[in-house]
Amino acid sequence: RKEVEQDPGPFNVPEGATVAFNCTYSNSASQSFFWYRQDCRKEPKLLMSVYSSGNEDGRFTAQLNRASQYISLLIRDSKLSDSATYLCVVNRGGGNKLTFGTGTQLKVEL
Amino acid sequence: DTAVSQTPKYLVTQMGNDKSIKCEQNLGHDTMYWYKQDSKKFLKIMFSYNNKELIINETVPNRFSPKSPDKAHLNLHINSLELGDSAVYFCASSPRDTVIRDGYTFGSGTRLTVV
Repeated sequence: RKEVEQDPGPFNVPEGATVAFNCTYSNSASQSFFWYRQDCRKEPKLLMSVYSSGNEDGRFTAQLNRASQYISLLIRDSKLSDSATYLCVVNRGGGNKLTFGTGTQLKVEL
Repeated sequence: DTAVSQTPKYLVTQMGNDKSIKCEQNLGHDTMYWYKQDSKKFLKIMFSYNNKELIINETVPNRFSPKSPDKAHLNLHINSLELGDSAVYFCASSPRDTVIRDGYTFGSGTRLTVV
């Protein structure tokens, strides 16, 4: 089983839609969690950290469910510029190593 | 000012050659990393250095040798290049003690094509 698993998509949604991605992780000792965004042929960029109580940043909401070992990202009112690959990232055991999922591709259409 | 810069951006070379990729960060971070992103977009860690000391060395062929002359620089040398080495190589950096809060900052990547 992969350490971090995501549905690769693509998710094709109309502009203005709400879309949600889930990610599961296998190691219950994982301590911190992130969502990164990667545009085509660009580097990954930190979108948001995921906190235990859930957190929101504008149109983006991240949730963590430790019991079920999954993380979610909700995007409201999708924009064309949200089209990208969203990478679920897990830090296991508090060291410096981040483990990346393979990403979920989002395409927002007119 | 670019925070994490890698050179070259593109590298096309023949099988069997030796090549180097350079990375520099001006963020004052203590820790630097090399990640490989293959054709399936999977990002996998290769190496990590903390203040010039190797702290992560994943299962990587010994044709790959990282070098960190100081904490702001991490280079990657690859000997006897093979077709399977074709990928995008990303350098990243992070503060040593806050990576679990702040994650990494990535360079823009080096697209290596071995022909």
